[in-house]
Amino acid sequence: GQNIDQPTEMTATEGAIVQINCTYQTSGFNGLFWYQQHAGEAPTFLSYNVLDGLEEKGRFSSFLSRSKGYSYLLLKELQMKDSASYLCAVDNTGTASKLTFGTGTRLQVTL
Amino acid sequence: DADVTQTPRNRITKTGKRIMLECSQTKGHDRMYWYRQDPGLGLQLIYYSFDVKDINKGEISDGYSVSRQAQAKFSLSLESAIPNQTALYFCATADPGAGGVNEQFFGPGTRLTVL
Repeated sequence: GQNIDQPTEMTATEGAIVQINCTYQTSGFNGLFWYQQHAGEAPTFLSYNVLDGLEEKGRFSSFLSRSKGYSYLLLKELQMKDSASYLCAVDNTGTASKLTFGTGTRLQVTL
Repeated sequence: DADVTQTPRNRITKTGKRIMLECSQTKGHDRMYWYRQDPGLGLQLIYYSFDVKDINKGEISDGYSVSRQAQAKFSLSLESAIPNQTALYFCATADPGAGGVNEQFFGPGTRLTVL
């Protein structure tokens, strides 16, 4: 079966750095995605990792360790607009673009 | 203009009614998906289609059916709606094209309530 775990909720202060972890156990692995979803809105793509290491994109970075089944999303210089849910998703099919999603981490940024 | 559109955006219906949710895309993608999202749960895949002649069941297809009328259109039907199908429904598209990241692009969602 497929299992993807993320913390349910996190709180952080504006301007700070926050790390959202994701662990996965899947029958195959063809890449890991992070999506951002504001309440009631569509998920939007943030990052993709298929090889071990860190991918940096502006204030957001994502890390992957395939041997540990582990990823994290790092958000720097937090802004109020970063308050959202962050979804970790694994492509485990090898044919690409069929994803299994975690339940998401709801991040609240406070003053 | 939005690349992936869904109609209706909100719908309230009664138990036993048939309902269709529609998805259209202008991205030219071959792959289309239907998901449902419930509070506290992740996105769950209902059906997916890799081209017009290809339809596949996802994790939770019972009680749902789909139709891929054209590359750009993918409809989801609830033949006889029941209250536990109350959820937020998302359509998504993807293009596996050479060398791309291959992320999925989501429509704005349809909020369905079954009374």
